[in-house]
Amino acid sequence: DTEVTQTPKHLVMGMTNKKSLKCEQHMGHRAMYWYKQKAKKPPELMFVYSYEKLSINESVPSRFSPECPNSSLLNLHLHALQPEDSALYLCASSQDAGGFYNEQFFGPGTRLTVL
Amino acid sequence: ILNVEQSPQSLHVQEGDSTNFTCSFPSSNFYALHWYRWETAKSPEALFVMTLNGDEKKKGRISATLNTKEGYSYLYIKGSQPEDSATYLCASPGGSEKLVFGKGTKLTVNP
Repeated sequence: DTEVTQTPKHLVMGMTNKKSLKCEQHMGHRAMYWYKQKAKKPPELMFVYSYEKLSINESVPSRFSPECPNSSLLNLHLHALQPEDSALYLCASSQDAGGFYNEQFFGPGTRLTVL
Repeated sequence: ILNVEQSPQSLHVQEGDSTNFTCSFPSSNFYALHWYRWETAKSPEALFVMTLNGDEKKKGRISATLNTKEGYSYLYIKGSQPEDSATYLCASPGGSEKLVFGKGTKLTVNP
């Protein structure tokens, strides 16, 4: 199984809502990533988990809270988001956290709209 | 801050044409160069990870070359097909686990 799955595919939420994005992989990868992608821009790294520990937080606002319950799962908890947070959120995984040499496997993304 | 540039931003070719596009990156502190293909409504898919100067990799009709001394990589598609239509992203590590992506080249192959 070389697939990274993400749920939900689409999410519409208000600024006062709390929601979560989920990501799952069963390739035995030990590194997992969250990216944010706005229209006509490249994916921007948000967080990296390596061996279930947060290793990189790219100065992401605290209204985004990542969680890695186990090596196969990655969540992104959302609270008090702003309309400018509307974007495609991509999850990816790689064999380990040596990002230099390991290709990343991406999920299809969650399209988030904040009203 | 690592800056990865891609050109052109978009490209329209006819079926059967061969085409190529460019990724530029800083030549200092080079570690690796990744190429991904991203079809609409699908997940980005890794094409190549290249590390050595002069490296050339091939997957079917798609190939890539790498020049780490001058800081560029070319992606070539031979005999383009409509199913090659996608955005092609390159990325280079900005340090440790972080990949920095270019803005991509959007390729449209007309039948």
